[in-house]
Amino acid sequence: DGGITQSPKYLFRKEGQNVTLSCEQNLNHDAMYWYRQDPGQGLRLIYYSQIVNDFQKGDIAEGYSVSREKKESFPLTVTSAQKNPTAFYLCASTPYGGRGTEAFFGQGTRLTVV
Amino acid sequence: GQQLNQSPQSMFIQEGEDVSMNCTSSSIFNTWLWYKQDPGEGPVLLIALYKAGELTSNGRLTAQFGITRKDSFLNISASIPSDVGIYFCAGQRGSQGNLIFGKGTKLSVKP
Repeated sequence: DGGITQSPKYLFRKEGQNVTLSCEQNLNHDAMYWYRQDPGQGLRLIYYSQIVNDFQKGDIAEGYSVSREKKESFPLTVTSAQKNPTAFYLCASTPYGGRGTEAFFGQGTRLTVV
Repeated sequence: GQQLNQSPQSMFIQEGEDVSMNCTSSSIFNTWLWYKQDPGEGPVLLIALYKAGELTSNGRLTAQFGITRKDSFLNISASIPSDVGIYFCAGQRGSQGNLIFGKGTKLSVKP
């Protein structure tokens, strides 16, 4: 079955460390996205990528970095520059290369700084 | 970034009751989407709306694209315990804009 896979489900990071969250999709979607979700908040866009080797900053990109070397993969690195990284991170993808429209989500990664 | 105004923020209802929630914006949207998120999981798409005035159903769920294109409504009829979760609206301006999400409506259903 096609879908989006995020790993790991739970991740613990020490302060000052970088950590990378994985997102893989086999839906043949062109565009991929990373969102951050905090309690009582909506989904806030971190980064997005419409095509391979290209990506754009979203609303809260500071302290994060991404790469898009393959169509299927869009890993997110949470750097030590992100001051409040504890959150639920969601990866999504959309078909047709358009931005938005029927985004399909992974199951999320919960990152906790210890 | 802009967020949609979604209300109510939370609802506590009895099993069997109907539920209504809505999203409003000061901007016009061309697409409205409704998602449900179970605890600790990613959101799942429930209904997609593409035309002003459109009314679409998915089982006990019905959603409408407001005629002003600045709002959308989701109704759940005869709620059951598995309806518990957070419901998000999302809108897209034009054909190239990123999705903008509401803050969610948390639904609790008492058996």
